[in-house]
Amino acid sequence: KQEVTQIPAALSVPEGENLVLNCSFTDSAIYNLQWFRQDPGKGLTSLLLIQSSQREQTSGRLNASLDKSSGRSTLYIAASQPGDSATYLCAVLNAGNMLTFGGGTRLMVKP
Amino acid sequence: DAGVIQSPRHEVTEMGQEVTLRCKPISGHDYLFWYRQTMMRGLELLIYFNNNVPIDDSGMPEDRFSAKMPNASFSTLKIQPSEPRDSAVYFCASSLHGGWAFFGQGTRLTVV
Repeated sequence: KQEVTQIPAALSVPEGENLVLNCSFTDSAIYNLQWFRQDPGKGLTSLLLIQSSQREQTSGRLNASLDKSSGRSTLYIAASQPGDSATYLCAVLNAGNMLTFGGGTRLMVKP
Repeated sequence: DAGVIQSPRHEVTEMGQEVTLRCKPISGHDYLFWYRQTMMRGLELLIYFNNNVPIDDSGMPEDRFSAKMPNASFSTLKIQPSEPRDSAVYFCASSLHGGWAFFGQGTRLTVV
């Protein structure tokens, strides 16, 4: 059974810092990995999708990397802003299209 | 497309009552997922469908929970009888195979 872990569970940084969120998974036989953002009381918003054959994906200030063989992904946020404060979740998709989530990292960016 | 639509947004019910949550996936998507989110357990996959057929329901907590997808544009998650420990936010999501998963806004269920 796939297990997804995110470290740290919570992170507080001053505005302007670059930061890295970590995601690890136990079964490397994945189809893709997705990063989501969730604001309090809201649904999940898709941020980035990395196919299993890819090493990284970029969208604006966000960069996600994938090392499938070691079961790891990182989400890099450059020049963090207070508006980036949210919970970030990673999820892995297997060949059967089952999407399994990590516990999330709660990010607070202080002005 | 308006995205994944869930109803109701909030539901408060008494213990023992039947609760039905509804989901309309994005048109053309062939996968539909039901998740439950709590502070203690995070996002748990309850069940998912492909072309209206349940593929994996191993996450359904017990027989009180059931889910159906009678057609490509509608799914329900039913809890009967409901219990206070069922209180959570329930999310529906849809996708194409291997594609981005799109989530609804969720239904916040409170069982008193």
